[in-house]
Amino acid sequence: EDKVVQSPLSLVVHEGDTVTLNCSYEVTNFRSLLWYKQEKKAPTFLFMLTSSGIEKKSGRLSSILDKKELFSILNITATQTGDSAIYLCAVEVAGGTSYGKLTFGQGTILTVHP
Amino acid sequence: DVKVTQSSRYLVKRTGEKVFLECVQDMDHENMFWYRQDPGLGLRLIYFSYDVKMKEKGDIPEGYSVSREKKERFSLILESASTNQTSMYLCASESPRGYTFGSGTRLTVV
Repeated sequence: EDKVVQSPLSLVVHEGDTVTLNCSYEVTNFRSLLWYKQEKKAPTFLFMLTSSGIEKKSGRLSSILDKKELFSILNITATQTGDSAIYLCAVEVAGGTSYGKLTFGQGTILTVHP
Repeated sequence: DVKVTQSSRYLVKRTGEKVFLECVQDMDHENMFWYRQDPGLGLRLIYFSYDVKMKEKGDIPEGYSVSREKKERFSLILESASTNQTSMYLCASESPRGYTFGSGTRLTVV
C-alpha cells in the first residue's frame, strides 16, 4: 500500500521565521512528488519534483527531493502571515491503472503569527 | 488555465438522503478524481475515472458511487448519506502540474 507521511502535523511560528516541512513516502513505481498549498478552498500547486538533489525555488519557497532516502522537504524563509495554510505533499505513481493517481499525506497546518 | 468547477460550496443533507456532487472541467482531460478531506487524515481517494463510462475504486469507495457520462463531468453519488460522510469533498482533473482542484464542497449530513 502506498504511503505518504508528513511532519509536523501542525506548526506555529512568528513572522520572519524559517520553517521546514517534511514529507516521506513509500510507494511502488514513483513518478513524481508534488507540493500544494491550501488556504480556504482548493489546493494550489507549488512544486513538482522528479529528480533527486535538484532544488526548485519560487520566491521564499524552495523544495528538494531525495529519492534514495524517500523524502522531500519544503522550506519557507522569512515567513509572512499569508503563508498560513495547509501544506499538502502528494506522490504520483506510474504505470498501469495507477497512472496519474496521487497519494496524499495528512498535511501540515502552518500558522504564522504577526 | 484549467478550470474545475464544483456545483456547490456548502450542502446540508439529512441522513438517508441520496446526494449528488457535481464536478465539471473545461480542458478535455481524461483523468478525473474525487477525494474527501478530513482533519488529520489528509486527502483520501474515493473514486477516479480515466475515460467516459470508466470508473475505478480508490482507497475508500464504500458508501459512494460515481458517474462519468460525458468527458467533462464526473459526479459523486452518496446513495444513502450518513453522518460519517460529513466532510470536505474535492474534485480534481489531471493536468501537467499534477492536479487542478475544484473549490470543494463542504457536506454536512445531519
